[in-house]
Amino acid sequence: DGGITQSPKYLFRKEGQNVTLSCEQNLNHDAMYWYRQDPGQGLRLIYYSQIVNDFQKGDIAEGYSVSREKKESFPLTVTSAQKNPTAFYLCASSLKDGGYEQYFGPGTRLTVT
Amino acid sequence: KQEVTQIPAALSVPEGENLVLNCSFTDSAIYNLQWFRQDPGKGLTSLLLIQSSQREQTSGRLNASLDKSSGRSTLYIAASQPGDSATYLCAPKWDSSASKIIFGSGTRLSIRP
Repeated sequence: DGGITQSPKYLFRKEGQNVTLSCEQNLNHDAMYWYRQDPGQGLRLIYYSQIVNDFQKGDIAEGYSVSREKKESFPLTVTSAQKNPTAFYLCASSLKDGGYEQYFGPGTRLTVT
Repeated sequence: KQEVTQIPAALSVPEGENLVLNCSFTDSAIYNLQWFRQDPGKGLTSLLLIQSSQREQTSGRLNASLDKSSGRSTLYIAASQPGDSATYLCAPKWDSSASKIIFGSGTRLSIRP
């Protein structure tokens, strides 16, 4: 089955710890994205990558970091510098960045206490 | 500033009714617009993608229309079923870059059996 996987589904961390969220796709898509969703708000773009070894900041990149060493993988690290890390994180991909549909993974709910 | 509004925030209708969900956006110069469905605690499922040159797209019981001049898109659901209960989000894009997608907050739809 082709698709996007995110792991884990739920993640709990103590304040001050960095945490890495996994995103893998086997759709052979060039572009990958990370969004954050908070209750009652629309999704907001954190980072995106149009091609391997390249990525750009989105609207709310502060306190986050990413890497894109492989086409299939786009991990997101939530650092201790992120002031409000508790949220639902969604990874997406598209054939290329541009006028193509975005396909989403199932999400990771991160709770930081 | 580009903004997206979805009204109403929540809607409840009896099974079998036809219904229309609304999405309005400032700045009519959009590149494309995508409609998504999100079930509670899950990722987004792409429903329809309309390019700026198109007036509408259809998939099964769903029909999405786009009126750029008035800054509006509608999602029409025919013969609604309880399984259609979910939150529906629209996401206009203002150029080919991912950084120019803005998601609406969604309409939470409940279909009563």
